[in-house]
Amino acid sequence: DAKTTQPPSMDCAEGRAANLPCNHSTISGNEYVYWYRQIHSQGPQYIIHGLKNNETNEMASLIITEDRKSSTLILPHATLRDTAVYYCIVSTNAGKSTFGDGTTLTVKP
Amino acid sequence: EAGVAQSPRYKIIEKRQSVAFWCNPISGHATLYWYQQILGQGPKLLIQFQNNGVVDDSQLPKDRFSAERLKGVDSTLKIQPAKLEDSAVYLCASSDLSGGAAPLHFGNGTRLTVT
Repeated sequence: DAKTTQPPSMDCAEGRAANLPCNHSTISGNEYVYWYRQIHSQGPQYIIHGLKNNETNEMASLIITEDRKSSTLILPHATLRDTAVYYCIVSTNAGKSTFGDGTTLTVKP
Repeated sequence: EAGVAQSPRYKIIEKRQSVAFWCNPISGHATLYWYQQILGQGPKLLIQFQNNGVVDDSQLPKDRFSAERLKGVDSTLKIQPAKLEDSAVYLCASSDLSGGAAPLHFGNGTRLTVT
């Protein structure tokens, strides 16, 4: 499975965009990029996923580089409730999903 | 739709005792996962089921951990005997891969403390 690399922590001001980077330089052609977030005492929550194209939903946008070796999760207007650990993972259609230690995002007032 | 249900929410046992966790996935989800999450770390996959068959159990400590998914729906994860280092949150997730790539849906986990 392809491994991902994320910064251990990031800060963001409330109301500003949060841009969370992820490197996945060994990603295979059939592997998707998924983002989850985990708030204390809860299980991880799915945010968004993509294969090649950029994706947007009601929660966030996902930008994948053309060579697919990295991606960025964008929370357009971060709120205090977006403070969480964010996980970037790659996964095939077989569904095996290996989590790293993620990025702890702290949104500050 | 109802989410992934797990029970109990919390469990405290002494080392060398046994414990079991239960998971009910989202209806219709054929793929079920058990993860172990130690404090401060990301979830670690223990076992993945497709219906009632095991897809991947390469990281399951089989000398003390066992899991089953009878009838391809509910699943139980058992630890016998427990060690101090088994203290963690045990997360169950399910997914519907019938259409290709699909996200995992997690329960809120069982927090196990071994004393």
